[in-house]
Amino acid sequence: EIVLTQSPGTLSLSPGERATLSCRASQSVSSSYLAWYQQKPGQAPRLLIYGASSRATGIPDRFSGSGSGTDFTLTISRLEPEDFAVYYCQQYGSSPLGFGQGTRLEIK
Amino acid sequence: EVQLLESGGGLVQPGGSLRLSCAASGFTFSSYAMSWVRQAPGKGLEWVSAISGSGGSTYYADSVKGRFTISRDNSKNTLYLQMNSLRAEDTAVYYCAKPHCTNGVCYAGVFDYWGQGTLVTVSS
Repeated sequence: EIVLTQSPGTLSLSPGERATLSCRASQSVSSSYLAWYQQKPGQAPRLLIYGASSRATGIPDRFSGSGSGTDFTLTISRLEPEDFAVYYCQQYGSSPLGFGQGTRLEIK
Repeated sequence: EVQLLESGGGLVQPGGSLRLSCAASGFTFSSYAMSWVRQAPGKGLEWVSAISGSGGSTYYADSVKGRFTISRDNSKNTLYLQMNSLRAEDTAVYYCAKPHCTNGVCYAGVFDYWGQGTLVTVSS
C-alpha cells in the first residue's frame, strides 16, 4: 500500500503570495497517477489536478501540479481569498487508492 | 448536469447495519465505475469501495472488507453501500463519487463529481 505524506500540515500565507504544497509517496506512483483536491468546510472535495500536472475542467491556471516518482508538488501562483482551504493529494496508480492527510492553507 | 444525491445515513448502534443510496443523474450511469469515499469528522479522506459499470467487479478497502457490500441498479441509476457490523470508527460522511473522464478516457480512481455526502454515526 502506498502511503502519501503531505507537508506542511498547515501553511499560513497572505493573498497574493505563492503557495507550495508537497506530497511524498512511500513508493513510486506509477504513471504519475497523482491527483490534487481542494476541500472547503462543509463541502465535497473538488478535483484540481490529475496525472500529476493536468488541470481539471474549469480550474484556474494559477493552480499547477508537478513531480513524478515519489515527490509531487501543488503550486498556487498567486493566492486568491477563495483558495484558503484544505488540499489533499491522492494516488490512483495502485490498489488501494490512497489520500494524503491534507494540508490546511490558512490566511496569515 | 451531473448530480449525485446520497441518502440513508443516520445514527446506528455498534454492530448494526445501514444501507446508503446514491441517486445519479445527468450522465449514462451504467457506463461508469463508481466509488464510495468517506471522511471521519475532522479527518481526511478514505476510499471505501468501488464497482465497475456493469456491477461485475467490486473492490474494497481492507478496513471494510467482509462487512460492507457495494452494488448498483443501473435501471434505477442508483449506487448502494450495504454496511453491516458497523463500528465506531465507521462514523463518517460518506460520499459517492464519479470518475473523471476527458477526451474519451476515464480515470477510474480520480473523482470529478461528488455528492453532498450523508453522515453515518455509529454510537450507543
